[in-house]
Amino acid sequence: KQEVTQIPAALSVPEGENLVLNCSFTDSAIYNLQWFRQDPGKGLTSLLLIQSSQREQTSGRLNASLDKSSGRSTLYIAASQPGDSATYLCAVSRIQGAQKLVFGQGTRLTINP
Amino acid sequence: EPEVTQTPSHQVTQMGQEVILRCVPISNHLYFYWYRQILGQKVEFLVSFYNNEISEKSEIFDDQFSVERPDGSNFTLKIRSTKLEDSAMYFCASRAEGAGYGYTFGSGTRLTVV
Repeated sequence: KQEVTQIPAALSVPEGENLVLNCSFTDSAIYNLQWFRQDPGKGLTSLLLIQSSQREQTSGRLNASLDKSSGRSTLYIAASQPGDSATYLCAVSRIQGAQKLVFGQGTRLTINP
Repeated sequence: EPEVTQTPSHQVTQMGQEVILRCVPISNHLYFYWYRQILGQKVEFLVSFYNNEISEKSEIFDDQFSVERPDGSNFTLKIRSTKLEDSAMYFCASRAEGAGYGYTFGSGTRLTVV
């Protein structure tokens, strides 16, 4: 059974810092990995998708990497801003069936002005 | 950018009542899903729907739950007799076919059972 773990559970940093969020998963047989952002009481906004054959994806100040063999992904946020404050969720989908997502518990990020 | 639309955004219902949560997935997507998130907990899979039938369901998705795609555009989740523990945020999602296509989630329906 796939298990996804995110470390740290919460992170508070001053504005302007670069930071790394970590995600680990137990079964390397994944279809793809997706990072989401969730604001309090809101839906899930997709940030980056990494296919199982890829090593990284970039969008603006965000860079996500994938090491499938070790079951790890990182989300790098450059030059953090107060507007980046949110919960960041990592989710993996498996190869078989309907490729359902298995989510981590998230990292709650606070960027202090 | 195409969106997944969910209605209502918030629903309050009495225990034992039936509720229907509605979703309009992205029009050219082929896979449809319901997930839920109990306050403070992980987002968890309920059911997937493909080619007009359930393709996978979780242990949570028991006989109290059903899904339907009645008209080619709407996708609904029905909870027949709500329980207090059904209180959660329910998310609809859709996805195109292929590994290069990720999930698009709706903004959710907050269901409160009293």
